[in-house]
Amino acid sequence: GPKVLQIPSHQIIDMGQMVTLNCDPVSNHLYFYWYKQILGQQMEFLVNFYNGKVMEKSKLFKDQFSVERPDGSYFTLKIQPTALEDSAVYFCASSLRDWGGGQNTLYFGAGTRLSVL
Amino acid sequence: QQKVQQSPESLSVPEGGMASLNCTSSDRNFQYFWWYRQHSGEGPKALMSIFSDGDKKEGRFTAHLNKASLHVSLHIRDSQPSDSALYFCAVSPYQGGRALIFGTGTTVSVSP
Repeated sequence: GPKVLQIPSHQIIDMGQMVTLNCDPVSNHLYFYWYKQILGQQMEFLVNFYNGKVMEKSKLFKDQFSVERPDGSYFTLKIQPTALEDSAVYFCASSLRDWGGGQNTLYFGAGTRLSVL
Repeated sequence: QQKVQQSPESLSVPEGGMASLNCTSSDRNFQYFWWYRQHSGEGPKALMSIFSDGDKKEGRFTAHLNKASLHVSLHIRDSQPSDSALYFCAVSPYQGGRALIFGTGTTVSVSP
């Protein structure tokens, strides 16, 4: 089936540093998402992105977070500066269409485990 | 407050048995339901969606939706060890908004 690739699989950084998580979405998909999961528990929505713009973001999407997809390349999540509470697994997802009609499927990558020391 | 509650938190099923999972949305704006499954070390993968009242069957998986109560269940027939995973119910809004909201999850363990 369709594959979403996330790079790297694990990232360790010191608190206060900047980190960029990379996502290679399914090639013909148009909508992109980031979710956060702590300790294998609930998946929490961060942000979704379409046509170069953030469509929706949650309260978890702090000012230190930003997303972009320059020129159709990787969809990235940047955290600057990082905090201890940012330690989690971050999942990227993509879909062909949006959720307005509830008709589409989100395809997830395998996640990037971020450890902030 | 939590929009999507799942029960039970965890479930043990013998191989070949039936697993039953429950999910309730607390927001009437969120009434498009999905079931996702996440194996350890992987991202969630969509199992099935259900948008209309009644049952929907896909292979060994059957979902049942009651829109009046915003309750959906998932039944796994003839459970296999490979069904051991974290199961999420997820909901999307009826109109507007594009975030898919995940429930609290149910861990299913199928023992041989």
